[in-house]
Amino acid sequence: EDQVTQSPEALRLQEGESSSLNCSYTVSGLRGLFWYRQDPGKGPEFLFTLYSAGEEKEKERLKATLTKKESFLHITAPKPEDSATYLCAVQAGNNDMRFGAGTRLTVKP
Amino acid sequence: DSGVTQTPKHLITATGQRVTLRCSPRSGDLSVYWYQQSLDQGLQFLIQYYNGEERAKGNILERFSAQQFPDLHSELNLSSLELGDSALYFCASSPREGSYTIYFGEGSWLTVV
Repeated sequence: EDQVTQSPEALRLQEGESSSLNCSYTVSGLRGLFWYRQDPGKGPEFLFTLYSAGEEKEKERLKATLTKKESFLHITAPKPEDSATYLCAVQAGNNDMRFGAGTRLTVKP
Repeated sequence: DSGVTQTPKHLITATGQRVTLRCSPRSGDLSVYWYQQSLDQGLQFLIQYYNGEERAKGNILERFSAQQFPDLHSELNLSSLELGDSALYFCASSPREGSYTIYFGEGSWLTVV
């Protein structure tokens, strides 16, 4: 069965303290890996799509990378406004998109 | 604004009742997804439709049903509601099937009392 595991569950950083979030996956026939940001009570906001191992995408302070078994979301010099839950999702051959439980990031000023 | 519209935004209803949640996908999107998010759980995939046809089914209860209409809007029907059905229900859409990014609406908060 397809599985998506995110770690850590929660992460507290000081402003400017860089770190990485992990997403490990087990799927048959990966078609895409997606990263979303979700603020409390809001819908997930799309960040990145990665399709093949070795691919990298960047946006402001965020950089997503993909290997054959996991993806990392690197956050460089985070700011308090980066505080949110970051969700990873995988899409396999059966079309549905499976989400991990998320990493709740708090960035303190 | 993702372009996905969900109504109502908030709904409070009693146990045993039936409610309908509505979703209008982004303009041009043919595929609609429904997800449930409870306080203590992540996003749980319920069901996906593509151009009016059911394409994938997740952990959707038999008390729940959905459909996608010819104008591509979708409805999620929840019946015989229980306290545990209280959750945020999200609709998402994508242009087609396959490895396309899906875009989420702001959700419908359902509280069952």
